[in-house]
Amino acid sequence: AQSVTQLGSHVSVSEGALVLLRCNYSSSVPPYLFWYVQYPNQGLQLLLKYTSAATLVKGINGFEAEFKKSETSFHLTKPSAHMSDAAEYFCAVSDFKTSYDKVIFGPGTSLSVIP
Amino acid sequence: EAQVTQNPRYLITVTGKKLTVTCSQNMNHEYMSWYRQDPGLGLRQIYYSMNVEVTDKGDVPEGYKVSRKEKRNFPLILESPSPNQTSLYFCASSLNRGGGGYTFGSGTRLTVV
Repeated sequence: AQSVTQLGSHVSVSEGALVLLRCNYSSSVPPYLFWYVQYPNQGLQLLLKYTSAATLVKGINGFEAEFKKSETSFHLTKPSAHMSDAAEYFCAVSDFKTSYDKVIFGPGTSLSVIP
Repeated sequence: EAQVTQNPRYLITVTGKKLTVTCSQNMNHEYMSWYRQDPGLGLRQIYYSMNVEVTDKGDVPEGYKVSRKEKRNFPLILESPSPNQTSLYFCASSLNRGGGGYTFGSGTRLTVV
C-alpha cells in the first residue's frame, strides 16, 4: 500500500523566512500528489496538486511544490512566510494501485510563524 | 457558493445510541468520501463513494455505515457508537476521480461518552 511521510510534526519559521515542509511518498508508479492546509476549526483546503504534468506546481497563497521522482518527494515551499500561513499542512497521495478514489494523507505538519 | 455541508458541527452522545452525520454537496460531484482525523494520525478514510449506490470501504470502516441514494448526499451512520469513535469527522467530494482534489466540509466533532 502507498504511504506518505511528513518529516517534522511541527515547524517554526520567522515571518519573512523561507517555508519548507517535507513530504515523501512510497510508490512504484508516480501517483497524484496533493498539499492541503487546515486552519483552526476549519476543514481542509486544497493548496496545490500534481497530476503528472509539470513537475513544479504552483498553488494558492504563494505556495509551490516540486515533484522529484528520483527522491519520491513532493516538498512544499514558500519564499517568505506570513503570519497568516500558520496552520496545519497535509500531504496526500492518490492510490493508483487500488483505486484513484483512495486518497491517503500524511500525519500533518503544524507550521508556526514567529513575528 | 460551492460547498460541502456537514451537520451537526458538534455532537455529544452516549455509547450505543445510533446517530447519523449528514453530508451534502452542491457541486454535482460524483465522488464523495468520509475521513476521521485524530491527533498524530492525520486523516484516515472511512468509506468512499464513486457514484449513486456505489460505495467502498476505506482504511477504517469498522463500526460505520454509509449510503448514497442521491448524488448530493452521503450520510455517515454509526449504528452503535463507542468511545473509540470519538473523533473529528470530515466529508469531502471531488469532481475528478482522484486527480482533482477534494472539497472538504467544515467537520463534525463527535464525542461518545
